[in-house]
Amino acid sequence: GIQVEQSPPDLILQEGANSTLRCNFSDSVNNLQWFHQNPWGQLINLFYIPSGTKQNGRLSATTVATERYSLLYISSSQTTDSGVYFCAVKVRSTNAGKSTFGDGTTLTVKP
Amino acid sequence: KAGVTQTPRYLIKTRGQQVTLSCSPISGHRSVSWYQQTPGQGLQFLFEYFSETQRNKGNFPGRFSGRQFSNSRSEMNVSTLELGDSALYLCASRITDAEAYEQYFGPGTRLTVT
Repeated sequence: GIQVEQSPPDLILQEGANSTLRCNFSDSVNNLQWFHQNPWGQLINLFYIPSGTKQNGRLSATTVATERYSLLYISSSQTTDSGVYFCAVKVRSTNAGKSTFGDGTTLTVKP
Repeated sequence: KAGVTQTPRYLIKTRGQQVTLSCSPISGHRSVSWYQQTPGQGLQFLFEYFSETQRNKGNFPGRFSGRQFSNSRSEMNVSTLELGDSALYLCASRITDAEAYEQYFGPGTRLTVT
């Protein structure tokens, strides 16, 4: 099956710093989402981005499907950005309902 | 529009018992997927239902089962609970079962098996 690798596994920042999270995947996908898992466990949708670039406030994401990677940018980080960030992909045509998740990047933003 | 709801939010069961978890998707969404999250295995796909039919199934034993009702609400059942079934169970809904649609997750049910 498809492999999804996220890096770095852990990231510690000072408030106000910028960061880039990466998601590499091993097969063609036509569905890619970034999530932020809050301390209570809920996955919060950040971006649906199978290709291209999107921005939402301090967050932006880019997916280069032909090169099989996606990047999540967080600018001017805040303590509330702390948590685990996941990317999830769906492989074309087979087992359409199944999302494969990476292991996540745990972000800690210190005041 | 209300989000995905899951009940109960927390559950403590004893090994050997069975448990049923419930998920109500976003209004108008007809696809419901279930995932298990554990510290050791991460987030793993359990199964997906669309129009009351199981469309896909992950690599879990037959003790894990589910169903979907005509109003798109879904339940999953775990029989003969094992300690390793302790996990956060997450439900996600999509408007349809096609690949290229965003999915939305509920708050999860945290199951502890003692």
